[in-house]
Amino acid sequence: EDQVTQSPEALRLQEGESSSLNCSYTVSGLRGLFWYRQDPGKGPEFLFTLYSAGEEKEKERLKATLTKKESFLHITAPKPEDSATYLCAVQALSGGSYIPTFGRGTSLIVHP
Amino acid sequence: DSGVTQTPKHLITATGQRVTLRCSPRSGDLSVYWYQQSLDQGLQFLIQYYNGEERAKGNILERFSAQQFPDLHSELNLSSLELGDSALYFCASSVEGGTSGGLSTDTQYFGPGTRLTVL
Repeated sequence: EDQVTQSPEALRLQEGESSSLNCSYTVSGLRGLFWYRQDPGKGPEFLFTLYSAGEEKEKERLKATLTKKESFLHITAPKPEDSATYLCAVQALSGGSYIPTFGRGTSLIVHP
Repeated sequence: DSGVTQTPKHLITATGQRVTLRCSPRSGDLSVYWYQQSLDQGLQFLIQYYNGEERAKGNILERFSAQQFPDLHSELNLSSLELGDSALYFCASSVEGGTSGGLSTDTQYFGPGTRLTVL
């Protein structure tokens, strides 16, 4: 069964304290790995798509990387407005269709 | 604002009832996805439609059904509602069909969600 596991479940940082979130996956036929940000009571907001091991993408203070078994979301010098739940999802082949599977997310709180 | 709209924002109903959730995708997007998000299950994929046809099915209960209309808006029908169906229901849309070098470019854009409460 395809699985996506995110760690840690929750993370508290001081403003400016860099850290990384992990997303490990066990799927076959990976089509893409996605990172989303979700604020409370709102829909997930797309951040990045990664397709192959070694790929990296950056956006402001965020950098996503991908290996064959996991992805990291690095947050450099975070600010309080980076506080949110970060979701990882994989789109992989299942029963002849590409099915998206989401992890449970990492809840990030950045204190000023 | 993602460009995806969902109505209603909130819905309160009783067990055994039937409700319909509506989603309008971003302009130009042909694919619509439905998700259920609850505290204990996280974000679960339910079903995908592409240009009016069912494309993929996830953990959707038989009491639930969906359709996509010619104008590409979609409806999710939930019947014989149970307390456990209380959740946030999200719709997402994507172009679904754009590829580059064989790789998928179907980024999903999520709507604001419908919060369903079953009493």
